[in-house]
Amino acid sequence: DVKVTQSSRYLVKRTGEKVFLECVQDMDHENMFWYRQDPGLGLRLIYFSYDVKMKEKGDIPEGYSVSREKKERFSLILESASTNQTSMYLCASVSGQGSYNSPLHFGNGTRLTVT
Amino acid sequence: ILNVEQSPQSLHVQEGDSTNFTCSFPSSNFYALHWYRWETAKSPEALFVMTLNGDEKKKGRISATLNTKEGYSYLYIKGSQPEDSATYLCAFTGTASKLTFGTGTRLQVTL
Repeated sequence: DVKVTQSSRYLVKRTGEKVFLECVQDMDHENMFWYRQDPGLGLRLIYFSYDVKMKEKGDIPEGYSVSREKKERFSLILESASTNQTSMYLCASVSGQGSYNSPLHFGNGTRLTVT
Repeated sequence: ILNVEQSPQSLHVQEGDSTNFTCSFPSSNFYALHWYRWETAKSPEALFVMTLNGDEKKKGRISATLNTKEGYSYLYIKGSQPEDSATYLCAFTGTASKLTFGTGTRLQVTL
């Protein structure tokens, strides 16, 4: 079974702090994604990566950056956390470059609160 | 941003009831439609990935149908059980586009 592991289940950070959310997958998947989930809204794509050192902006990249130095790890960075980034963050991975005919595998999510 | 709509937003049924929900998506440039179940405190779990018009998929008491020409998919649950309580998400992708999620249908099954 594919395992997608997010480093923290809950995080509380202060406004202005730099925040790192880490995600590791163990199935050699090319594609990795960062989504956020907010009440009343669907999962919204922040950034994705289809290969090491490659990254593409999703629908809501403002205020975020990402890093993919190794195939198994995809990090989401909040350069200067703000209260409107309080949310549930989900990491996902899938095999195949640019292919969506396979299901995504999700991590358990990180609930981030910015105060 | 593509529009993927799910209805109803939430649903409350009794154990043993059968139920269904709808996912609507753009009917042009279809590539794939995904269904996920997301239980509280767990990660979203894939139910189905559907790629062909007229496709029907089944997993236990849960089944799904797909109509790409009119842009909708139905998810059916037969004989709902309390463990079916979850949010059900659909996600659409067209050719050369990203996966876009709907807002989900929250199902509550009570005894």
